[in-house]
Amino acid sequence: AQSVTQLDSHVSVSEGTPVLLRCNYSSSYSPSLFWYVQHPNKGLQLLLKYTSAATLVKGINGFEAEFKKSETSFHLTKPSAHMSDAAEYFCVVSDFHSGNTGKLIFGQGTTLQVKP
Amino acid sequence: DAGVIQSPRHEVTEMGQEVTLRCKPISGHNSLFWYRQTMMRGLELLIYFNNNVPIDDSGMPEDRFSAKMPNASFSTLKIQPSEPRDSAVYFCASSWTGTSHTGELFFGEGSRLTVL
Repeated sequence: AQSVTQLDSHVSVSEGTPVLLRCNYSSSYSPSLFWYVQHPNKGLQLLLKYTSAATLVKGINGFEAEFKKSETSFHLTKPSAHMSDAAEYFCVVSDFHSGNTGKLIFGQGTTLQVKP
Repeated sequence: DAGVIQSPRHEVTEMGQEVTLRCKPISGHNSLFWYRQTMMRGLELLIYFNNNVPIDDSGMPEDRFSAKMPNASFSTLKIQPSEPRDSAVYFCASSWTGTSHTGELFFGEGSRLTVL
């Protein structure tokens, strides 16, 4: 079975400082991993995805994540936070390799607060 | 290109009433997913379809919930009778699960349901 754990339910940073949102996963297969962002009253939008290519993945809006198999982690980072980054972030693992077509397993989410 | 379209965006109804939520997936996508989001339980997969066929409905809470996908461009999620605990945001998402599938889902903006 696959699962994902987001280690922080809430992260607060000051504008211009680095962002780190932590995620650990469990998977019996080579996983596909994603980070989605949800702004208030909006749907989820894909930030970036890892699908067994380069372990350092670059996404939109300056975010990136590094797949570390030895640590079963897929932490999301950004060098400098912007006020518009305030949102809910979801780490997601996909089990479609196991034959289930595209079923995603969502973490519980991390709320990112950006202070002026 | 239009994204996933959901309607209504907001619905307020009274306990016992029937609720129907609608979704139009992205043209060309062959998988459709219904999720429910609440503060207490986070994002839950209710059901997903592949090529209009329900593949996994294990997340459907109970018999009061039903979902249909009569064709590739339309799906409904029905709750009858509705109860206050059904209050949540319901998301529809679609994807292409062909040979190049990477697990990415495209989400609609959600239908916020309030049952009084």
